[in-house]
Amino acid sequence: SQELEQSPQSLIVQEGKNLTINCTSSKTLYGLYWYKQKYGEGLIFLMMLQKGGEEKSHEKITAKLDEKKQQSSLHITASQPSHAGIYLCGAKHYGGATNKLIFGTGTLLAVQP
Amino acid sequence: GAVVSQHPSRVICKSGTSVKIECRSLDFQATTMFWYRQFPKQSLMLMATSNEGSKATYEQGVEKDKFLINHASLTLSTLTVTSAHPEDSSFYICSARPPGRGLADTQYFGPGTRLTVL
Repeated sequence: SQELEQSPQSLIVQEGKNLTINCTSSKTLYGLYWYKQKYGEGLIFLMMLQKGGEEKSHEKITAKLDEKKQQSSLHITASQPSHAGIYLCGAKHYGGATNKLIFGTGTLLAVQP
Repeated sequence: GAVVSQHPSRVICKSGTSVKIECRSLDFQATTMFWYRQFPKQSLMLMATSNEGSKATYEQGVEKDKFLINHASLTLSTLTVTSAHPEDSSFYICSARPPGRGLADTQYFGPGTRLTVL
């Protein structure tokens, strides 16, 4: 079973629309990381969340971690074609190796101009 | 800051040959580096954790004799795919973790290496 589930698997939005991607863990999270990947390229670090209820924003992207620290959402406001790519959440769990990141299944985002 | 490079970006080799992939942290020292493998339309799977000056820690199911990892310095880790076969064709990505805690817990990723074994 997948420890980290992302939804939706893929998403097509019109430019200018808002969107939300979710990441759900079956275990309590020690840390939650959001990355963006262009196909065939490496991962770009977006944000890290550690505290329950924490929220961080960078430009038009906002990430939140729920109070129970088992679910995170990534919200993009007024999407642009430059936001297109694969969004991956990565997590460290309590009781797991402190260095290891488990990755979600990924969400493919396409933004239509 | 926190830039990680990989070389080569693409490599095509014949079945049975060995291929070395380099991962470098350019502006920080990384005591720990990680090697991942990614199949098309799938997420990243951790292969091994590379620790400077000591043996790598391999994930369950990853053959250590096939995927040799050497972390000889604080800025360089190498992954050698020995006797490569077509099923080893994949996208290999490394990441590096700066020492310390807090945001330093973040892993920074290289651009990846596309390996194709004919």
